[in-house]
Amino acid sequence: KNQVEQSPQSLIILEGKNCTLQCNYTVSPFSNLRWYKQDTGRGPVSLTIMTFSENTKSNGRYTATLDADTKQSSLHITASQLSDSASYICVVKEGGSYIPTFGRGTSLIVHP
Amino acid sequence: GAGVSQSPSNKVTEKGKDVELRCDPISGHTALYWYRQRLGQGLEFLIYFQGNSAPDKSGLPSDRFSAERTGESVSTLTIQRTQQEDSAVYLCASSLAAGGDGYTFGSGTRLTVV
Repeated sequence: KNQVEQSPQSLIILEGKNCTLQCNYTVSPFSNLRWYKQDTGRGPVSLTIMTFSENTKSNGRYTATLDADTKQSSLHITASQLSDSASYICVVKEGGSYIPTFGRGTSLIVHP
Repeated sequence: GAGVSQSPSNKVTEKGKDVELRCDPISGHTALYWYRQRLGQGLEFLIYFQGNSAPDKSGLPSDRFSAERTGESVSTLTIQRTQQEDSAVYLCASSLAAGGDGYTFGSGTRLTVV
Protein backbone atom coordinates (compact mmCIF):
# COMPACT_ATOMS: atom_id res chain seq x y z
CA LYS A 1 0.00 0.00 0.00
CA ASN A 2 1.32 3.43 -0.93
CA GLN A 3 2.17 5.51 2.12
CA VAL A 4 3.49 9.00 2.79
CA GLU A 5 4.82 9.72 6.27
CA GLN A 6 5.66 13.21 7.46
CA SER A 7 7.63 14.42 10.43
CA PRO A 8 7.46 16.15 12.74
CA GLN A 9 3.70 16.19 13.25
CA SER A 10 3.96 19.73 14.59
CA LEU A 11 6.67 22.32 14.98
CA ILE A 12 6.94 25.67 16.76
CA ILE A 13 9.72 28.08 15.83
CA LEU A 14 10.57 31.72 16.34
CA GLU A 15 10.20 34.22 13.55
CA GLY A 16 13.38 34.51 11.51
CA LYS A 17 14.56 30.97 12.21
CA ASN A 18 14.97 28.23 9.62
CA CYS A 19 13.28 24.83 9.75
CA THR A 20 13.18 21.58 7.81
CA LEU A 21 10.20 19.29 7.35
CA GLN A 22 10.58 15.65 6.35
CA CYS A 23 8.62 13.33 4.08
CA ASN A 24 9.22 9.60 3.54
CA TYR A 25 7.20 7.63 1.02
CA THR A 26 6.72 4.13 -0.27
CA VAL A 27 4.88 5.05 -3.48
CA SER A 28 6.07 3.04 -6.46
CA PRO A 29 6.50 3.55 -9.31
CA PHE A 30 7.22 7.18 -8.56
CA SER A 31 5.88 9.96 -10.77
CA ASN A 32 6.23 13.20 -8.85
CA LEU A 33 6.21 14.74 -5.39
CA ARG A 34 4.59 17.99 -4.39
CA TRP A 35 4.70 20.07 -1.26
CA TYR A 36 1.55 22.01 -0.46
CA LYS A 37 0.91 24.78 2.05
CA GLN A 38 -2.52 24.81 3.67
CA ASP A 39 -3.50 27.88 5.63
CA THR A 40 -6.23 27.48 8.23
CA GLY A 41 -9.64 27.47 6.56
CA ARG A 42 -8.19 27.33 3.07
CA GLY A 43 -7.47 24.66 0.50
CA PRO A 44 -3.89 23.45 -0.07
CA VAL A 45 -1.72 25.50 -2.43
CA SER A 46 1.17 23.95 -4.32
CA LEU A 47 4.66 25.16 -3.39
CA THR A 48 6.91 22.88 -5.43
CA ILE A 49 6.74 19.85 -7.69
CA MET A 50 9.64 17.49 -8.27
CA THR A 51 10.07 14.62 -10.68
CA PHE A 52 12.47 11.68 -10.50
CA SER A 53 15.37 13.51 -12.11
CA GLU A 54 15.18 16.60 -9.89
CA ASN A 55 16.85 16.67 -6.50
CA THR A 56 16.25 20.26 -5.46
CA LYS A 57 13.80 23.00 -6.28
CA SER A 58 13.25 26.41 -4.76
CA ASN A 59 10.29 28.73 -4.51
CA GLY A 60 11.35 31.90 -2.72
CA ARG A 61 12.22 31.00 0.86
CA TYR A 62 11.05 27.42 0.33
CA THR A 63 13.52 24.79 -0.91
CA ALA A 64 12.48 21.20 -1.50
CA THR A 65 14.89 18.30 -1.91
CA LEU A 66 14.25 14.83 -3.23
CA ASP A 67 16.25 11.63 -2.89
CA ALA A 68 14.43 9.15 -5.10
CA ASP A 69 16.76 6.33 -4.08
CA THR A 70 15.92 6.55 -0.40
CA LYS A 71 12.39 7.84 -1.11
CA GLN A 72 12.81 10.88 1.06
CA SER A 73 12.02 14.54 0.58
CA SER A 74 12.48 17.60 2.73
CA LEU A 75 11.10 21.12 2.71
CA HIS A 76 13.41 23.77 4.09
CA ILE A 77 12.00 27.14 5.08
CA THR A 78 14.49 29.97 5.42
CA ALA A 79 14.06 33.07 7.58
CA SER A 80 10.56 32.10 8.68
CA GLN A 81 7.77 34.64 8.80
CA LEU A 82 4.54 34.70 10.78
CA SER A 83 2.66 34.02 7.55
CA ASP A 84 4.47 30.69 7.22
CA SER A 85 2.25 29.34 10.01
CA ALA A 86 0.28 26.64 8.24
CA SER A 87 0.09 22.93 7.57
CA TYR A 88 2.63 21.61 5.04
CA ILE A 89 1.52 18.55 3.13
CA CYS A 90 3.68 16.16 1.13
CA VAL A 91 1.87 14.52 -1.80
CA VAL A 92 3.30 11.73 -3.93
CA LYS A 93 1.87 10.61 -7.25
CA GLU A 94 2.28 7.07 -8.51
CA GLY A 95 3.13 6.58 -12.14
CA GLY A 96 0.04 5.70 -14.14
CA SER A 97 -2.33 6.66 -11.32
CA TYR A 98 -4.52 9.75 -11.14
CA ILE A 99 -5.03 9.54 -7.38
CA PRO A 100 -2.04 10.86 -5.43
CA THR A 101 -1.21 9.83 -1.87
CA PHE A 102 -1.32 12.57 0.74
CA GLY A 103 0.69 12.77 3.93
CA ARG A 104 -1.01 13.96 7.11
CA GLY A 105 0.95 17.18 7.09
CA THR A 106 3.24 19.02 9.48
CA SER A 107 1.64 21.84 11.43
CA LEU A 108 4.07 24.75 11.64
CA ILE A 109 3.57 27.64 14.05
CA VAL A 110 5.85 30.65 13.79
CA HIS A 111 5.93 32.83 16.91
CA PRO A 112 7.04 36.47 16.96
CA GLY B 1 -13.89 31.70 -12.67
CA ALA B 2 -10.43 32.48 -11.42
CA GLY B 3 -10.36 29.68 -8.89
CA VAL B 4 -12.26 26.68 -7.59
CA SER B 5 -15.32 27.86 -5.72
CA GLN B 6 -17.06 25.80 -3.06
CA SER B 7 -20.31 26.46 -1.28
CA PRO B 8 -21.37 26.70 1.40
CA SER B 9 -18.15 27.48 3.24
CA ASN B 10 -19.66 26.20 6.46
CA LYS B 11 -22.61 23.92 7.09
CA VAL B 12 -24.07 22.77 10.38
CA THR B 13 -26.70 20.08 10.11
CA GLU B 14 -28.60 17.76 12.39
CA LYS B 15 -27.81 14.08 12.44
CA GLY B 16 -29.97 12.24 9.94
CA LYS B 17 -30.46 15.17 7.57
CA ASP B 18 -29.22 15.21 3.97
CA VAL B 19 -26.68 17.80 2.82
CA GLU B 20 -25.52 18.91 -0.60
CA LEU B 21 -22.13 20.48 -1.20
CA ARG B 22 -21.28 22.35 -4.37
CA CYS B 23 -18.08 22.78 -6.34
CA ASP B 24 -17.52 25.15 -9.26
CA PRO B 25 -14.24 24.14 -10.96
CA ILE B 26 -11.99 26.38 -12.97
CA SER B 27 -13.46 26.83 -16.43
CA GLY B 28 -11.95 24.35 -18.88
CA HIS B 29 -10.66 21.97 -16.22
CA THR B 30 -11.70 18.48 -17.25
CA ALA B 31 -10.69 16.65 -14.07
CA LEU B 32 -12.44 17.16 -10.74
CA TYR B 33 -11.77 15.51 -7.37
CA TRP B 34 -13.57 15.44 -4.05
CA TYR B 35 -11.59 14.85 -0.85
CA ARG B 36 -12.50 14.63 2.81
CA GLN B 37 -10.20 16.04 5.49
CA ARG B 38 -10.93 15.10 9.06
CA LEU B 39 -9.35 17.07 11.87
CA GLY B 40 -5.67 16.21 12.14
CA GLN B 41 -5.86 13.72 9.27
CA GLY B 42 -4.61 13.65 5.72
CA LEU B 43 -6.85 14.12 2.72
CA GLU B 44 -8.99 11.11 1.85
CA PHE B 45 -9.88 10.60 -1.79
CA LEU B 46 -13.64 10.31 -2.36
CA ILE B 47 -14.41 10.52 -6.07
CA TYR B 48 -12.83 11.55 -9.39
CA PHE B 49 -14.52 12.88 -12.53
CA GLN B 50 -12.72 13.11 -15.87
CA GLY B 51 -14.64 14.67 -18.74
CA ASN B 52 -17.58 12.52 -19.75
CA SER B 53 -16.01 9.28 -18.54
CA ALA B 54 -17.61 7.22 -15.79
CA PRO B 55 -16.43 8.61 -12.44
CA ASP B 56 -14.09 6.72 -10.13
CA LYS B 57 -16.20 6.29 -7.00
CA SER B 58 -13.80 3.95 -5.24
CA GLY B 59 -13.18 6.35 -2.34
CA LEU B 60 -16.78 6.91 -1.31
CA PRO B 61 -17.02 5.57 2.27
CA SER B 62 -20.63 4.38 2.12
CA ASP B 63 -23.73 4.38 -0.04
CA ARG B 64 -24.88 7.49 1.81
CA PHE B 65 -22.34 9.42 -0.24
CA SER B 66 -22.92 10.26 -3.89
CA ALA B 67 -21.67 12.87 -6.34
CA GLU B 68 -22.66 14.17 -9.72
CA ARG B 69 -21.06 16.31 -12.32
CA THR B 70 -22.66 17.64 -15.47
CA GLY B 71 -20.13 17.57 -18.27
CA GLU B 72 -17.11 19.63 -17.25
CA SER B 73 -18.95 22.04 -15.00
CA VAL B 74 -20.41 22.11 -11.52
CA SER B 75 -20.25 19.10 -9.23
CA THR B 76 -22.38 18.33 -6.20
CA LEU B 77 -21.51 15.96 -3.36
CA THR B 78 -24.53 14.66 -1.48
CA ILE B 79 -24.44 13.01 1.91
CA GLN B 80 -27.68 11.36 2.96
CA ARG B 81 -28.72 10.65 6.55
CA THR B 82 -25.66 12.42 7.92
CA GLN B 83 -23.80 10.95 10.88
CA GLN B 84 -21.48 12.66 13.34
CA GLU B 85 -18.47 10.92 11.80
CA ASP B 86 -19.23 12.76 8.56
CA SER B 87 -18.07 15.99 10.23
CA ALA B 88 -15.03 17.14 8.25
CA VAL B 89 -13.83 19.60 5.66
CA TYR B 90 -14.80 18.54 2.15
CA LEU B 91 -12.35 19.81 -0.45
CA CYS B 92 -12.82 19.96 -4.19
CA ALA B 93 -9.96 20.24 -6.69
CA SER B 94 -9.89 20.58 -10.46
CA SER B 95 -7.13 20.21 -13.03
CA LEU B 96 -6.73 20.99 -16.68
CA ALA B 97 -5.62 17.52 -17.71
CA ALA B 98 -6.41 13.98 -16.72
CA GLY B 99 -4.15 12.58 -14.04
CA GLY B 100 -4.49 15.38 -11.55
CA ASP B 101 -1.15 17.09 -12.09
CA GLY B 102 -1.24 20.72 -11.19
CA TYR B 103 -4.66 20.78 -9.68
CA THR B 104 -6.15 23.69 -7.79
CA PHE B 105 -8.09 23.27 -4.57
CA GLY B 106 -11.12 25.16 -3.40
CA SER B 107 -11.30 26.46 0.16
CA GLY B 108 -13.55 23.62 1.21
CA THR B 109 -16.86 23.20 2.99
CA ARG B 110 -16.63 22.65 6.73
CA LEU B 111 -19.44 20.26 7.65
CA THR B 112 -20.48 19.84 11.25
CA VAL B 113 -23.08 17.23 12.12
CA VAL B 114 -24.68 17.78 15.52
